[in-house]
Amino acid sequence: EAQVTQNPRYLITVTGKKLTVTCSQNMNHEYMSWYRQDPGLGLRQIYYSMNVEVTDKGDVPEGYKVSRKEKRNFPLILESPSPNQTSLYFCASSLDPRTDTQYFGPGTRLTVL
Amino acid sequence: DQQVKQNSPSLSVQEGRISILNCDYTNSMFDYFLWYKKYPAEGPTFLISISSIKDKNEDGRFTVFLNKSAKHLSLHIVPSQPGDSAVYFCAASGWANNLFFGTGTRLTVIP
Repeated sequence: EAQVTQNPRYLITVTGKKLTVTCSQNMNHEYMSWYRQDPGLGLRQIYYSMNVEVTDKGDVPEGYKVSRKEKRNFPLILESPSPNQTSLYFCASSLDPRTDTQYFGPGTRLTVL
Repeated sequence: DQQVKQNSPSLSVQEGRISILNCDYTNSMFDYFLWYKKYPAEGPTFLISISSIKDKNEDGRFTVFLNKSAKHLSLHIVPSQPGDSAVYFCAASGWANNLFFGTGTRLTVIP
């Protein structure tokens, strides 16, 4: 089954404690992306990757890091989380970022205390 | 600054009637538009898309209309069904390899 998986689905942490949210896709997609969803702001792109070892900033990259060492995986790293990073995070993948449908993971709800 | 806007946070429609969801964009470089649907506790799923070379695209009960001069697109759902109740996001892409999403409209279809 074609899917994008994210782990963990829920996470409560404290300010400053480094964390990683994993994302994996099994569709051999070259493009992967991270979004955050906040009330009244919709989905905002954090980072995206066109291929292995190629990553670019989206609209709201501050406080986040990503890596793309393998085609299927695109982890999101918060080196020093802060309360304003409390949000719902989605990973997505597609063949073509502009015209192809993006397949989204189920989301990770992060709370930073 | 929000480049894609959905000015109606919510919409309620009777089952069987038409649902019209609206979306406005500010950047004339956008040339491809998509609608995604999102249920609670799930990721968004693709619904329908339209290229700027067209002004209408239809897929079953769903039709998207694009008015480039007004920088406006709309999604029509006819007839609306209770299972259509969800949050709908419009999205736009253009010169860059990223997608800009609107803030979403929560559609409630009343049985």
